[in-house]
Amino acid sequence: AQSVTQPDIHITVSEGASLELRCNYSYGATPYLFWYVQSPGQGLQLLLKYFSGDTLVQGIKGFEAEFKRSQSSFNLRKPSVHWSDAAEYFCAVGPHGSSNTGKLIFGQGTTLQVKP
Amino acid sequence: KAGVTQTPRYLIKTRGQQVTLSCSPISGHRSVSWYQQTPGQGLQFLFEYFSETQRNKGNFPGRFSGRQFSNSRSEMNVSTLELGDSALYLCASSSRSPPGELFFGEGSRLTVL
Repeated sequence: AQSVTQPDIHITVSEGASLELRCNYSYGATPYLFWYVQSPGQGLQLLLKYFSGDTLVQGIKGFEAEFKRSQSSFNLRKPSVHWSDAAEYFCAVGPHGSSNTGKLIFGQGTTLQVKP
Repeated sequence: KAGVTQTPRYLIKTRGQQVTLSCSPISGHRSVSWYQQTPGQGLQFLFEYFSETQRNKGNFPGRFSGRQFSNSRSEMNVSTLELGDSALYLCASSSRSPPGELFFGEGSRLTVL
């Protein structure tokens, strides 16, 4: 079955520290991969995406993610966290094929708390 | 460019009632998807519409339905509300390419009493 696992439900880091959020997926083929962020009371915003090619992708707000096929992982990283990064982060997968544009499978999310 | 607009933002209903939620996509986007977000189940795909046709459907009972109009605006309806339908309902729009790049609204928070 297709699934996305975010092993860490809650993570706390100090401002200025580095961050890595984990994401593992189970899929029949190489999927499209995404990271979204949700601030309290808001909808989701796309941080970055991987479709093919270079396995290290850059996103907005200084985030990057690395696709590792052998580990079925797509971990999100940021070298220095800012207080404004406190939010909930979702990893998602989607199938290849334009007929499935809007259907994504989301992980359960990781809540990031930033200590001053 | 205006973002995805969802109305109403908050609503309270009682069991057995029905509710209609509205979503206006980003101008030019023809695909609209709906998701249910709850603390226990997370984000779950409800359905997707493209050019007024339902293109994909998630694993929800028939009480959940939707439609899309010729201007790409979409509505979803939940009939015979149950307590478990309390959730944040998110609408997302997208262009045909690249796939999966969804633009979300702020959601409609439904509370069923």
